[in-house]
Amino acid sequence: DAGVIQSPRHEVTEMGQEVTLRCKPISGHDYLFWYRQTMMRGLELLIYFNNNVPIDDSGMPEDRFSAKMPNASFSTLKIQPSEPRDSAVYFCASTLGTSGISYEQYFGPGTRLTVT
Amino acid sequence: LAKTTQPISMDSYEGQEVNITCSHNNIATNDYITWYQQFPSQGPRFIIQGYKTKVTNEVASLFIPADRKSSTLSLPRVSLSDTAVYYCLVGDLYFYGGSQGNLIFGKGTKLSVKP
Repeated sequence: DAGVIQSPRHEVTEMGQEVTLRCKPISGHDYLFWYRQTMMRGLELLIYFNNNVPIDDSGMPEDRFSAKMPNASFSTLKIQPSEPRDSAVYFCASTLGTSGISYEQYFGPGTRLTVT
Repeated sequence: LAKTTQPISMDSYEGQEVNITCSHNNIATNDYITWYQQFPSQGPRFIIQGYKTKVTNEVASLFIPADRKSSTLSLPRVSLSDTAVYYCLVGDLYFYGGSQGNLIFGKGTKLSVKP
């Protein structure tokens, strides 16, 4: 298996532009997570999906952020409009759920976003 | 939501055993404890997970006391390649009686292994 795939690996954009980050989870996994990592705040969970349905988006910082999962093999995280403070590494992770326990999450390589 | 507290950094030498303790005073009955390792420019990688007592795999051991308010990750005989950030994670994903769990990463412990 290729693991979790994220694209692009690096993104540099100007403030005010729309940014779309993409993720392909491991085939067969039914949970997908989006995280953001910065030096100041560490690793933060933004939103996660179960069977393509958003379950908890309480970590999404504001309305400029949105995430979708149109099918089991694809998810996007969109920032519109982007701001310099959105600069961070964004990770996507997936896992196969099993009733009653927390899961081993498989992380992608991340997308390093720089907003100038 | 159970918050975690870990030391910000630790230093060790090759061949030593390293113990990293995580405090989680508000851990819930349904929560499991999971540890991840992260190298620079990579995503975190699962190390070990447990609920109570002791869990051991080929990489590490996890010690959880009876009250479950803390846990200790033990890395035997570390090498330079164990230099990384280690995260303690406490949480559960499923619905129980209508409540919803969440997964919260601590800020991590930066382990530096020296020759």
